[in-house]
Amino acid sequence: DQQVKQNSPSLSVQEGRISILNCDYTNSMFDYFLWYKKYPAEGPTFLISISSIKDKNEDGRFTVFLNKSAKHLSLHIVPSQPGDSAVYFCAASATASKLTFGTGTRLQVTL
Amino acid sequence: DTGVSQNPRHKITKRGQNVTFRCDPISEHNRLYWYRQTLGQGPEFLTYFQNEAQLEKSRLLSDRFSAERPKGSFSTLEIQRTEQGDSAMYLCASSARTSGYSETQYFGPGTRLLVL
Repeated sequence: DQQVKQNSPSLSVQEGRISILNCDYTNSMFDYFLWYKKYPAEGPTFLISISSIKDKNEDGRFTVFLNKSAKHLSLHIVPSQPGDSAVYFCAASATASKLTFGTGTRLQVTL
Repeated sequence: DTGVSQNPRHKITKRGQNVTFRCDPISEHNRLYWYRQTLGQGPEFLTYFQNEAQLEKSRLLSDRFSAERPKGSFSTLEIQRTEQGDSAMYLCASSARTSGYSETQYFGPGTRLLVL
């Protein structure tokens, strides 16, 4: 039972444009959501998070949007840079405990 | 560098051997998590500690896996009688448990295990 889903395995975006990565979840107990970035042979790096009481959180070029009624969140990267090329994982937790991850979306930012 | 560290970074072993991995969390973090990641999948929860107490273990964690955090600082994950299906990246993460529901976990670089 995949409680966190990232339905797009890959995404290609031109440098300078917006990258939008999507994530859906099924467990209504999730109350905290995070995005991680991962390079090959490295551990995930924390990017940005959002709690269930908010619908938007911004940090520099990164913005996460949460739509609780649709059980959907998205990560916007503006403007996209070649260094953003990596695999992005969406993760969720319920009452501050273990994380449940999606399967990841590989973002490629082209010149 | 005050991030999460893991040793070794790579381990190759023969089927049936025992292996042990170590994780050193961020020093002020009281929670420590172990995850496993296989190709094409996201990290999958294995177990976690708050200080020295092991609070939860995944049902997927077989009896061949054991984890300890004896003094509430570093942790070890041991796999006994390894099988080829144990080949994966083993990730450790730590966090500072505070009141409320938000808790950000920070990951180490992982230990890649290959069982021949």
